[in-house]
Parts: sequence; structure tokens; C-alpha cells
Amino acid sequence: AQSVTQLDSQVPVFEEAPVELRCNYSSSVSVYLFWYVQYPNQGLQLLLKYLSGSTLVKGINGFEAEFNKSQTSFHLRKPSVHISDTAEYFCAVSGWGGSYIPTFGRGTSLIVHP
Amino acid sequence: DTGVSQDPRHKITKRGQNVTFRCDPISEHNRLYWYRQTLGQGPEFLTYFQNEAQLEKSRLLSDRFSAERPKGSFSTLEIQRTEQGDSAMYLCASSVRTGAGSTEAFFGQGTRLTVV
Repeated sequence: AQSVTQLDSQVPVFEEAPVELRCNYSSSVSVYLFWYVQYPNQGLQLLLKYLSGSTLVKGINGFEAEFNKSQTSFHLRKPSVHISDTAEYFCAVSGWGGSYIPTFGRGTSLIVHP
Repeated sequence: DTGVSQDPRHKITKRGQNVTFRCDPISEHNRLYWYRQTLGQGPEFLTYFQNEAQLEKSRLLSDRFSAERPKGSFSTLEIQRTEQGDSAMYLCASSVRTGAGSTEAFFGQGTRLTVV
């Protein structure tokens, strides 16, 4: 079984400030990790993914995340946010092998203020 | 556009009616997933197909829910005797198995169901 915990339900931040959205996971097998973004009344769009290799992963729109196996974390960061980054962000884990069914966290609402 | 397509985008139905949603995955993707998402929550897994075989079902998928994927192409999700608690966004996603494992899941725009 696998699970994802997103500790912050809402993160307010001012435009051009840095931001970190936290994600912790649990799994009994090796994992793939993902961050998705969802705008209102839309589906989910992939921001970035960790499959293997370098633990620092860069994605679209200037986002990056770091896989930390010892802390079972995959926190998402951006050095300078824009108003357009206001959205819901979901962390997901997929266990390696078998069905690879992604399990999602409850999401973090990023609110960027001018 | 060759992404995942879902139809309809919105559906309003009266309690007790049956509804059916359709999902067309990315053409070369052999894995297809259905999720349900309620307000303020993350997507919750409902069921998974590999080609035409339904390999896993969540206990969220009550007897009123049925899903099919004939010929391993498009998929349908039917809800019989709808209840107000079925109101949610229904998301479809697809991925493809590779030699190294699996690609990420690509999502459609979702079908928003409102039961009145």
C-alpha cells in the first residue's frame, strides 16, 4: 500500500516570493513521484516527475522538486512565484511494479497575492 | 490535439437516473484509470484497465458503478440510480507500460456530475 501526505492545505504567498509545497509519502516498494497542477474546472497537468537518477528534478513553469529517500519526501519549490501560479497542486506516488496506479495527496492550494 | 478526451464535460441529472461517461485515452496508451474528485480533495482511485481487462477496483466503486473498456480503446463509466453523494468530478487518465516501467498518467479535462 502507498499513501501521500500534503501537510499544508493552503499556502498564501506574495508575488515574486519563493515557495515550498511539502509532500511526504509512504510505500513498501520503490516509487515514482509526481507533482500535478490543477486550475479551476480543469483536469490535472503534470509539472514534473521523479522516476530514477538525479534526485533534483526540474519541471515546467520554473518549478523543481527534490526526492529525499531517507525522509520519504518530495517537496516542490519555486524561487519566485507569479499570480498565474495560483492553483491547486497535487503530489502523487506510484509504486514500482504491478499496476503503477498513482495515489494522490489531498492537495495544496497555492494562493499568490499581488 | 491527441490528449485524453472526456465527454460530456458537465452533466446534471435527477436523483435515481442513470448516467454514462466516456473517456478516449491517448491512442497508444494501454493503461486507463478512472478517478473521482470531490471539492477540496485529491483524486480518489476508482478502477484501472490494462487493455480491455479491468484489473483493479476500489472499494469506492459500489455495485451501482460499472466500467468497461471494449477492445482496449475508449472506456465508459456508468452510474446507476444516482445519489446526491455521487456529485463530483470524474477524471480519466491513461499511461503506457514501457520496458522500464510506466509513463506518468495523462489526465482528461474531467466530467463534472451534479445530482439534483
